[in-house]
Amino acid sequence: DQQVKQNSPSLSVQEGRISILNCDYTNSMFDYFLWYKKYPAEGPTFLISISSIKDKNEDGRFTVFLNKSAKHLSLHIVPSQPGDSAVYFCAAIPYTGNQFYFGTGTSLTVIP
Amino acid sequence: DTAVSQTPKYLVTQMGNDKSIKCEQNLGHDTMYWYKQDSKKFLKIMFSYNNKELIINETVPNRFSPKSPDKAHLNLHINSLELGDSAVYFCASSQLLQGMNTEAFFGQGTRLTVV
Repeated sequence: DQQVKQNSPSLSVQEGRISILNCDYTNSMFDYFLWYKKYPAEGPTFLISISSIKDKNEDGRFTVFLNKSAKHLSLHIVPSQPGDSAVYFCAAIPYTGNQFYFGTGTSLTVIP
Repeated sequence: DTAVSQTPKYLVTQMGNDKSIKCEQNLGHDTMYWYKQDSKKFLKIMFSYNNKELIINETVPNRFSPKSPDKAHLNLHINSLELGDSAVYFCASSQLLQGMNTEAFFGQGTRLTVV
């Protein structure tokens, strides 16, 4: 039973444009959400996070939006760069959290 | 200095063998994890240890046994390896602050191939 879903397995974007990666979750106990970036043959690296008390968090080119009523979060990358090409995982932790629940990832390709 | 390091990076072994994957973190975190990434690229929790105590043990065959000699280490031993165990295994660590988890840091992964 997958509680965090990323329905787009892949996304291609032109360099300089905005990349929008989406994530949906089912568990209303999730309290903290994260995005990870993964290059081939490497482990996931933390990118940005958001607490459920917020609806937006920004860090440079990366912004995460959280819509609790829709149980939806998204990651915006603007402007997109070729080095952003990677697999992006969203993850969620419940309030009593000892476990990170991951989505299946979206492979982003930024075309120069 | 690598924050979470796991060895080996690649492991090819025959069915029926017993193998171990080691993980060490130098971040001072109190919680460590093993995740399995299967052929569908899904990252699934296997085990979680907090201060050397097992706190999460998902539905994993008994052939998988984690060992945490101290807070900085969480090793994974696998007995009687099967073809279906082929996957990438990730170790991770995080810190519980006031009962809430911070972001997890991952190792580079161990690609296990059972032939």
